[in-house]
Amino acid sequence: EAQVTQNPRYLITVTGKKLTVTCSQNMNHEYMSWYRQDPGLGLRQIYYSMNVEVTDKGDVPEGYKVSRKEKRNFPLILESPSPNQTSLYFCASSFLQRGNNEQFFGPGTRLTVL
Amino acid sequence: GENVEQHPSTLSVQEGDSAVIKCTYSDSASNYFPWYKQELGKGPQLIIDIRSNVGEKKDQRIAVTLNKTAKHFSLHITETQPEDSAVYFCAAGGGGADGLTFGKGTHLIIQP
Repeated sequence: EAQVTQNPRYLITVTGKKLTVTCSQNMNHEYMSWYRQDPGLGLRQIYYSMNVEVTDKGDVPEGYKVSRKEKRNFPLILESPSPNQTSLYFCASSFLQRGNNEQFFGPGTRLTVL
Repeated sequence: GENVEQHPSTLSVQEGDSAVIKCTYSDSASNYFPWYKQELGKGPQLIIDIRSNVGEKKDQRIAVTLNKTAKHFSLHITETQPEDSAVYFCAAGGGGADGLTFGKGTHLIIQP
């Protein structure tokens, strides 16, 4: 089954404790992206990647890191989480070929930083 | 960069009636306009999209219209059903390597 998986689905942590949210897709997509969803603010892009070893900042990159060492994986790293990073996070992927750009979203990771 | 405005933020309609959600965008270079549906506890899922060389696209009970001159596009859902209750997001982008900018979402409530 074609899908984007994220782990963990729920996470409660404390300020300053490094964490990683994993994202994996099995559709051979070149493009992968991380979004955060907050009430009243919609979906805001954190980082994206157009292929292995190619990453770039989105609209709200502060406090986050990403890496793309393999095509299927795109982990989101919070080196020193703060309470303002409490949010619902989504990973998404798509082909880069023009005309075939549907973004497939993962199920989401709800993060609470105390 | 691109800016997408979406209205209304909440829409309540009677089952069987039609629902319309509207979006405007700012970047005239945008040429790809998808609509996503997010059900409770799930990630957004594409329901329909339109490209700038087309003015309207229909898929059963849902349709999208695009007015490039005015830079706005709309989602139309006819004969609404309880399973249409969800949050709907519009987005705009260049397609391909360009990312998508999303609207803030519309919570659609179908009243029985």
